[in-house]
Amino acid sequence: NAGVMQNPRHLVRRRGQEARLRCSPVKGHSHVYWYRQLPEEGLKFMVYLQKENIIDESGMPKERFSAEFPKEGPSILRIQQVVRGDSAAYFCASSPGQERALGYTFGSGTRLTVV
Amino acid sequence: SQQGEEDPQALSIQEGENATMNCSYKTSINNLQWYRQNSGRGLVHLILIRSNEREKHSGRLRVTLDTSKKSSSLLITASRAADTASYFCATDEGAQKLVFGQGTRLTINP
Repeated sequence: NAGVMQNPRHLVRRRGQEARLRCSPVKGHSHVYWYRQLPEEGLKFMVYLQKENIIDESGMPKERFSAEFPKEGPSILRIQQVVRGDSAAYFCASSPGQERALGYTFGSGTRLTVV
Repeated sequence: SQQGEEDPQALSIQEGENATMNCSYKTSINNLQWYRQNSGRGLVHLILIRSNEREKHSGRLRVTLDTSKKSSSLLITASRAADTASYFCATDEGAQKLVFGQGTRLTINP
């Protein structure tokens, strides 16, 4: 029973390139969350998705960032035209969604470095 | 919005001593959770306390919650070198999302 799988673990992109981060939730979990962690800081909520729907994207930057959770396949966090300030660790979590903010399982994260 | 604020930001103690970390939050909550993060790794869920609970234990961990003061504390007893990590409190904020504090960096010296 695998946990949340994120790939890649490390991603290096040059400024202006696109970054695609993947998250496969725990089997049976239909709720996915993305968080960003800057160095020496806590995690900041970005977006909450259920299958094929964005429920809450209040933490997503208005431009260049998008997320999806298709009916089949992993959730994708996409960052277009990356800038140095996008360098951070991006964590995905999933939950069965039966009770508020409970049953979270976090992945190991993708560490994005923009050079 | 920043919900939880941990105190202290960094704590260094000798192995075997107890470590206490505090967390304050701003709005009403349904539950408060504590997580551990080893350097460069993901988060590990430690313990959850609901708003109608005042204290909870799990092994060497003891969590208290004071909803009147909007604060929580995490006590790690008989600390070990393996407890060296960052510790975060997280509260629910509407729907399903968690709001994390800045964390306490705990160092256990052998």
